[in-house]
Amino acid sequence: QKEVEQDPGPLSVPEGAIVSLNCTYSNSAFQYFMWYRQYSRKGPELLMYTYSSGNKEDGRFTAQVDKSSKYISLFIRDSQPSDSATYLCAMSRGARGETSGSRLTFGEGTQLTVNP
Amino acid sequence: DVKVTQSSRYLVKRTGEKVFLECVQDMDHENMFWYRQDPGLGLRLIYFSYDVKMKEKGDIPEGYSVSREKKERFSLILESASTNQTSMYLCASSFPLAGTDTQYFGPGTRLTVL
Repeated sequence: QKEVEQDPGPLSVPEGAIVSLNCTYSNSAFQYFMWYRQYSRKGPELLMYTYSSGNKEDGRFTAQVDKSSKYISLFIRDSQPSDSATYLCAMSRGARGETSGSRLTFGEGTQLTVNP
Repeated sequence: DVKVTQSSRYLVKRTGEKVFLECVQDMDHENMFWYRQDPGLGLRLIYFSYDVKMKEKGDIPEGYSVSREKKERFSLILESASTNQTSMYLCASSFPLAGTDTQYFGPGTRLTVL
């Protein structure tokens, strides 16, 4: 079983829709949670970052972490065609200075298409 | 602005060839990583390096080696390329973010082994 599970989609929504992307994980040691966005034929770029449980908002994007359920979400409000990309969740144990502690474990990625 | 560059965007090699993939970062980051990305499997860590001449195996090191002679450069080597190494290869360097490190990726090299 994978440490991080993410539905690969594809997910197709109309412009303006609210999008919900999710990951579940099994390793309770994960403390840092990230979302990366990857456009076609490009490398992933960091979109959101949260520590432990709670919510974080950045413009149209909201990241939620529920450590008790081992479940993280990314919400996109008022989705735009430019949001069409693959979204990858990633997590780490943290512990900077420990070489293994800062390794990231990625989900498979969810492919999102926002239709005009 | 952090820049991670990779030597080639697309590469076609033959089975048995020795292949070098180069990665350079310009922000004096200590940690560098090599991943491969495949449909249905996501990003998988091949090797990482936390200092010059230091390296650690990731989850799938078999068939690969790495070299880090200078801090800014991290090379991935396929000693004898095989068709199952056809993939997208992504390099990343790590920078501090609050209590952990997070990673900045290069554009990727799509390698095809015939």
